[in-house]
Amino acid sequence: ELKVEQNPLFLSMQEGKNYTIYCNYSTTSDRLYWYRQDPGKSLESLFVLLSNGAVKQEGRLMASLDTKARLSTLHITAAVHDLSATYFCAVDMKGGGADGLTFGKGTHLIIQP
Amino acid sequence: GAVVSQHPSWVICKSGTSVKIECRSLDFQATTMFWYRQFPKQSLMLMATSNEGSKATYEQGVEKDKFLINHASLTLSTLTVTSAHPEDSSFYICSTRQPNTEAFFGQGTRLTVV
Repeated sequence: ELKVEQNPLFLSMQEGKNYTIYCNYSTTSDRLYWYRQDPGKSLESLFVLLSNGAVKQEGRLMASLDTKARLSTLHITAAVHDLSATYFCAVDMKGGGADGLTFGKGTHLIIQP
Repeated sequence: GAVVSQHPSWVICKSGTSVKIECRSLDFQATTMFWYRQFPKQSLMLMATSNEGSKATYEQGVEKDKFLINHASLTLSTLTVTSAHPEDSSFYICSTRQPNTEAFFGQGTRLTVV
């Protein structure tokens, strides 16, 4: 059974600080996806990581993928309140690029002034 | 990215009634769509894969007779929750994706069964 584990599940941090969210998965997939969900809303795509060593950055967020370690990280730099949300990583269920996704449990991030 | 429109955004229904949720792919023809369910403060779980012109594929533990899926065209999939009960109350989200790209999600439908 494919497992996707995120940690931490809950994170409260102050503005201006840096932190990293970790995502471990049990499949040999070389793709991983990060999504953001605001309360009561659907999912917004943040990053698509398609190969080992992939690194992508958008604003204060940077995601990386190590397929050998089956680990992805989402790093937050100098956090601001607007980044408060729940962040999910996800992996293709069957290893292909056209299947449903298996999600981690999500990291609920609160950024306080 | 792909644009996915889901309707309604929220619905309240009585126990025992049926509710239909629509999911439209607005900017490409989707032979496959996905239906997820999310309980409060939990993650998304894939319920079923909707296939245009053929039967849906259901994940283990999902009752196909309770959650009817129809994918009659390349832009529309529907999920009907039949004989709804309070435990079916959840956030239902549809998704499409083109091969080897990320999935894009509809706005979600919050179903409350009273």
